[in-house]
Amino acid sequence: EPEVTQTPSHQVTQMGQEVILRCVPISNHLYFYWYRQILGQKVEFLVSFYNNEISEKSEIFDDQFSVERPDGSNFTLKIRSTKLEDSAMYFCASSDEGISYGYTFGSGTRLTVV
Amino acid sequence: GEDVEQSLFLSVREGDSSVINCTYTDSSSTYLYWYKQEPGAGLQLLTYIFSNMDMKQDQRLTVLLNKKDKHLSLRIADTQTGDSAIYFCAEMGTGRRALTFGSGTRLQVQP
Repeated sequence: EPEVTQTPSHQVTQMGQEVILRCVPISNHLYFYWYRQILGQKVEFLVSFYNNEISEKSEIFDDQFSVERPDGSNFTLKIRSTKLEDSAMYFCASSDEGISYGYTFGSGTRLTVV
Repeated sequence: GEDVEQSLFLSVREGDSSVINCTYTDSSSTYLYWYKQEPGAGLQLLTYIFSNMDMKQDQRLTVLLNKKDKHLSLRIADTQTGDSAIYFCAEMGTGRRALTFGSGTRLQVQP
């Protein structure tokens, strides 16, 4: 069964550093997403990406965040200057045109900012 | 904004039925989903229901939707120890692709 792959599974970074989280969505999917889950809190939507541009974003997704599909297969989330409160599990997901089937999520990257 | 609420914990015995409940506030919800998360794994889609349906059955899973009360439930028949996981309810509003998730219900199945 096709999978969404995320790397690394765990990343530790110093406060103020830039971090890039990587994802390989399912190859024939057209929509790509990032969600995050702070420990003990709800899974929160960050951004959706379609046709090489952001199609929807939440209030969380401020100027510190950016997304990119650099080479047609990877989908990345960049956090420019990490804060302690960015520590969370970040999930990538992808879907095709048919939203009734939901998304396919990756296993997540645990980001720890120290 | 939209909100989705779930109870945090449910414990059942193996072989019993489990019922996990969810309430939501968005009256424009089009699709409602149930996801399962096992330790160290991503979110696995279990089932979904379109907002104009009342019920959906898929093998051991039954989803009930009360749109008037904005209440969704997931029933797992003959619960097995392998069903132990966190179950998330999520909704998608009209014209959007963003999902709003509940806090998740941790299901513990006792042998």
